[in-house]
Amino acid sequence: KNEVEQSPQNLTAQEGEFITINCSYSVGISALHWLQQHPGGGIVSLFMLSSGKKKHGRLIATINIQEKHSSLHITASHPRDSAVYICAENTGNQFYFGTGTSLTVIP
Amino acid sequence: DSGVTQTPKHLITATGQRVTLRCSPRSGDLSVYWYQQSLDQGLQFLIQYYNGEERAKGNILERFSAQQFPDLHSELNLSSLELGDSALYFCASSVDGTPEQPQHFGDGTRLSIL
Repeated sequence: KNEVEQSPQNLTAQEGEFITINCSYSVGISALHWLQQHPGGGIVSLFMLSSGKKKHGRLIATINIQEKHSSLHITASHPRDSAVYICAENTGNQFYFGTGTSLTVIP
Repeated sequence: DSGVTQTPKHLITATGQRVTLRCSPRSGDLSVYWYQQSLDQGLQFLIQYYNGEERAKGNILERFSAQQFPDLHSELNLSSLELGDSALYFCASSVDGTPEQPQHFGDGTRLSIL
């Protein structure tokens, strides 16, 4: 059974802090997705990774294929970053989702 | 705005009924994905279509069916509804359905079974 595990489940940070969310997956992937889901329910795709590192604004995503591990970093966190962050493993013909990390950034 | 349109936004119905959820992909996208998000099971992949053909199948129940039409819009049909089918149903689209392409999500349809 494919498993995608995220940690931590919940995270509270002060505005400006550096945040890291971790994701481990169990089988070989075609791509690893990071998604953001706001309290209203809408989902935004943040990154897709198959190797290395990607950066978009204050967000950085990295992946280590050998260790089957990915991290999402948020620099200079802001209250608008408060959301649920979900990683998803795409094996090419299947998707497996983590349970999400609920992030709250306090002003 | 992702460019993906899902209708209706909310749907309330009773057990045993049948409903149809509709998705219009972003202009230019050929592939459509359907996902279910429930409180107890989180996000689950249901099914993917590419240019009218089924490409991949996930945890889609036999009571559920989907199709993608020649104009590329897609419909997810849910029948013999049970209380456990209450969930948010998301549609996403991508250019060619390959893992390397980003997916663009609709706002979802919230289905409540009474």
